[in-house]
Amino acid sequence: GAVVSQHPSWVICKSGTSVKIECRSLDFQATTMFWYRQFPKQSLMLMATSNEGSKATYEQGVEKDKFLINHASLTLSTLTVTSAHPEDSSFYICSAPGLDLRLNEQFFGPGTRLTVL
Amino acid sequence: RKEVEQDPGPFNVPEGATVAFNCTYSNSASQSFFWYRQDCRKEPKLLMSVYSSGNEDGRFTAQLNRASQYISLLIRDSKLSDSATYLCVVRHTGGFKTIFGAGTRLFVKA
Repeated sequence: GAVVSQHPSWVICKSGTSVKIECRSLDFQATTMFWYRQFPKQSLMLMATSNEGSKATYEQGVEKDKFLINHASLTLSTLTVTSAHPEDSSFYICSAPGLDLRLNEQFFGPGTRLTVL
Repeated sequence: RKEVEQDPGPFNVPEGATVAFNCTYSNSASQSFFWYRQDCRKEPKLLMSVYSSGNEDGRFTAQLNRASQYISLLIRDSKLSDSATYLCVVRHTGGFKTIFGAGTRLFVKA
């Protein structure tokens, strides 16, 4: 099946720094990718929809200036957490839909665990 | 009220037991339905899609009742390896916006 990778798999940073997370579709092209955040013992919450060549669509309550999304190619979307604070510590997961829309597939990356000190 | 609600759990069952999870959704724009499994500190993995006619995959049976906006998952003959969090997932019409339930934790004991 299709593979989505994320980098880094984990990152620890100081408060106030910015962190970039990459999401790549390895063997298929994805015009759309999704970014989720998951706090401990909670479910995945959709943060934004990343669209290749256009602006991302953010969910209500997600600050677009804090979580910068860039989808510059058909295989790469990046999420930058700017001026990270401890409350941003979370598990960030991206996903991409499969090419055959009839199958309704969605492929998840392995996630990036962010810890802000 | 959350768009997708699940049994809070956790469910603690012995090996071989049958366990059922329930889920309700509130948005009528929900078109597609899934059960995902998530292991600790891992990404969710698709367990099975859910169809109106009901569908079965080995020990797992999923059912959907659109009128009641209710989804269920039945696991028969539980294995230790079934221990995980099970996520009820709905996808809206016309796109891939996917909403996850909070998940139900299952512990299968020897």
